[in-house]
Amino acid sequence: SAVISQKPSRDICQRGTSLTIQCQVDSQVTMMFWYRQQPGQSLTLIATANQGSEATYESGFVIDKFPISRPNLTFSTLTVSNMSPEDSSIYLCSARGDLYTGELFFGEGSRLTVL
Amino acid sequence: DQQVKQNSPSLSVQEGRISILNCDYTNSMFDYFLWYKKYPAEGPTFLISISSIKDKNEDGRFTVFLNKSAKHLSLHIVPSQPGDSAVYFCAASAKTSYDKVIFGPGTSLSVIP
Repeated sequence: SAVISQKPSRDICQRGTSLTIQCQVDSQVTMMFWYRQQPGQSLTLIATANQGSEATYESGFVIDKFPISRPNLTFSTLTVSNMSPEDSSIYLCSARGDLYTGELFFGEGSRLTVL
Repeated sequence: DQQVKQNSPSLSVQEGRISILNCDYTNSMFDYFLWYKKYPAEGPTFLISISSIKDKNEDGRFTVFLNKSAKHLSLHIVPSQPGDSAVYFCAASAKTSYDKVIFGPGTSLSVIP
């Protein structure tokens, strides 16, 4: 298993600002992922963070809005840019525990509220 | 289009009884299924999984059943305990795209003492 830490755990942000969420894994992992959970909704995959290359974004998510960095095998950041109230969500970092299955380990999440 | 469905948003069960959480999927390419449990203010925690080559997997009080022909799986918790009260997410992935784990909307389970 992997222990995943996220910072900040929560924040209240003003419309139009940007916030960077940090994700630290206690072991080297090949694949890291960023999910969003909007109020009352399920987890939606934003992007796969690839070490040494550009992130791979899912339909409906773009790099300009959600730039991602993955400088090494234990760390990633997600920035939520030019925030609006619709971006109020829990943002979750995850890492794959097993290369050949879908098992993921999650951080505790970062709850963002945009006013 | 929701590929993983959990049609019951909530479920209440008496302590000691069986909890059955259901999940349906539409994508026939899915071949690995997972259940996650989520407490408020925490990230989801992996609970149990099943490969499409099996129809049952058991781990202590938790058993997952898979019916591929019906594209249906269920999670059984026996006996249910108050600490099991949480949101349960069904999730699925396909061998062709292990990058993506698709989550259902979740079922909120309340176990009543």
